[in-house]
Amino acid sequence: DGGITQSPKYLFRKEGQNVTLSCEQNLNHDAMYWYRQDPGQGLRLIYYSQIVNDFQKGDIAEGYSVSREKKESFPLTVTSAQKNPTAFYLCASSIMGAGLKNIQYFGAGTRLSVL
Amino acid sequence: GQNIDQPTEMTATEGAIVQINCTYQTSGFNGLFWYQQHAGEAPTFLSYNVLDGLEEKGRFSSFLSRSKGYSYLLLKELQMKDSASYLCAVRVPLRGAGSYQLTFGKGTKLSVIP
Repeated sequence: DGGITQSPKYLFRKEGQNVTLSCEQNLNHDAMYWYRQDPGQGLRLIYYSQIVNDFQKGDIAEGYSVSREKKESFPLTVTSAQKNPTAFYLCASSIMGAGLKNIQYFGAGTRLSVL
Repeated sequence: GQNIDQPTEMTATEGAIVQINCTYQTSGFNGLFWYQQHAGEAPTFLSYNVLDGLEEKGRFSSFLSRSKGYSYLLLKELQMKDSASYLCAVRVPLRGAGSYQLTFGKGTKLSVIP
């Protein structure tokens, strides 16, 4: 089955620690995205990547870093510089361009909490 | 800037019809999406409008008026499983040709009661 796999489902971060959230897709999509969702807030774009070895900051990139070494993988690192990391993190992927075919499909999410 | 407004919560009765409104003011427009999200789960795609008018898909319909910056999602014959958050999202251009971003509203939490 094609889809997007995020792991782990739940993650706990200690003070001053960096943690990495995994996102893998087998949909052969060029574009991948990371969003953060807080209660009562819409999804906010953290980073996106349209091609391997290239990525761009979204609206709230501070305190986060990403890499795109393979088309299938787009891990997100929440660094110690992110002072309020508790949130639900969603990874998405899509084909490039406009039109109905460019639908973003989401993974099941990772819930990050601070210890 | 981007601004997308939708009601925070709605309640409707099983078997009834409910309309969830979404208004938007964005710099650029390349389509409007509706997603359904059950608590703690991934958003799933429901509908897409890029031209004015109504798109119907089973019990779900979505309407768009670009001149008014307005859309609605219509759910008919409500079922208990329709209790979820419904997210309105506008696709806007990003830097770079052929690149787009989804800007989301805060979501409408729909509760379906017996």
